[in-house]
Amino acid sequence: QSVLTQPPSVSGAPGQRVTISCTGSSSNIGADYGVHWYQLLPGTAPRLLIYGNTNRPSGVPDRFSGSKSGASASLAITGLQAEDEADYYCQSYDSRLSGWVFGGGTKLTVL
Amino acid sequence: QVQLQESGPGLVKPSGTLSLTCAVSGGSISSSNWWSWVRQAPGKGLEWIGEIYHSGSTNYNPSLKNRVTISIDKSKNLFSLKLNSVTAADTAIYYCASIAVAVGIDYWGQGTLVTVSS
Repeated sequence: QSVLTQPPSVSGAPGQRVTISCTGSSSNIGADYGVHWYQLLPGTAPRLLIYGNTNRPSGVPDRFSGSKSGASASLAITGLQAEDEADYYCQSYDSRLSGWVFGGGTKLTVL
Repeated sequence: QVQLQESGPGLVKPSGTLSLTCAVSGGSISSSNWWSWVRQAPGKGLEWIGEIYHSGSTNYNPSLKNRVTISIDKSKNLFSLKLNSVTAADTAIYYCASIAVAVGIDYWGQGTLVTVSS
């Protein structure tokens, strides 16, 4: 049971928009700790997609965007491409656990 | 561009100690980042193990705290993980990583698979 809750899977057709939710609590996202998002492709190191709720590192396409409201955050991917098929994880800090916590991960399937 | 490279045995016997090292290149381990270990068991999600600052200060995942030690060697620009009393549940890909405050994990190693088996 992960501290941050993500849907196990989402899917969408090429060109469509999908969102992945990440629900936390008052000791992590709700405590105003930043949410970060990662993309995991098989056989490769995880890649930072979004940091501090809404910021994109250089090199990340603007098709990826993040948002946060209360104790929840979301990752949106527009103009879906086949190469976006991957696992996505959210991360935040938890004051009750005094450490970093991840969501359980969401598998994105591009139909 | 910071690069991280894990090294260590790929097979550890049950009840033994898992030992991994992460070499940091392209940057100083004495920077303002925290140096961390993250793992992913087969078919499971990411799990933060712990982190260390160049001062030697450490933070550990409460679920692993009793079995984990992370250390740093500034002279060699590397940091290490020791996990003792391992079981099959500790079989995972282990990543070393760099955590920047307010940014999250900005650099990751390629990961190394460690299998716990007799």
